[in-house]
Amino acid sequence: AQTVTQSQPEMSVQEAETVTLSCTYDTSESDYYLFWYKQPPSRQMILVIRQEAYKQQNATENRFSVNFQKAAKSFSLKISDSQLGDAAMYFCAYRSDTSGTYKYIFGTGTRLKVLA
Amino acid sequence: DTAVSQTPKYLVTQMGNDKSIKCEQNLGHDTMYWYKQDSKKFLKIMFSYNNKELIINETVPNRFSPKSPDKAHLNLHINSLELGDSAVYFCASSQGVQANYGYTFGSGTRLTVV
Repeated sequence: AQTVTQSQPEMSVQEAETVTLSCTYDTSESDYYLFWYKQPPSRQMILVIRQEAYKQQNATENRFSVNFQKAAKSFSLKISDSQLGDAAMYFCAYRSDTSGTYKYIFGTGTRLKVLA
Repeated sequence: DTAVSQTPKYLVTQMGNDKSIKCEQNLGHDTMYWYKQDSKKFLKIMFSYNNKELIINETVPNRFSPKSPDKAHLNLHINSLELGDSAVYFCASSQGVQANYGYTFGSGTRLTVV
């Protein structure tokens, strides 16, 4: 069964600095999708970025980028020029495919604090 | 316009009661989900429907019964509520069962059973 591990329960970053959140996963599949979701105190889950496993190029969305290492099964999220509004829980998710049944498996989350 | 809307946002009820949570999406998606987020923030899928057909039914007590009257709506009914049912319940939708482009989530329903 696929698993997703976020080893950092909590991280802090100074405003305007850069922070990297870690995510590793375990799978025997070769084609899959990975996602990062943000959950601010408002509770709304917001898609931050997605990565297709067959693409070698790392995904980028404005200040958010990923470092996707397929062989190492690692999918870290880098947030550049951190802003106060980036403070939230961040969840890594893996889209699994079990005999044609698709579902997302989420990590346990990393709470990011942004210090002014 | 809210893309995925859940009602109510908060629900406080006594043990043994029956309650429902409603979810509606206006994105034209064909697949909808219920996820449960526990007190440690762990998110786990409960159910998934595609075009009103149940396609994922995880190991959930049969006190939980989803209903999808059409592909834009997915409701969750819970019978005989227990203390352990206290959690945040999220509805989500996607275009296609493969959900390659991610889910759109509702803002969650915080259920507290006392």
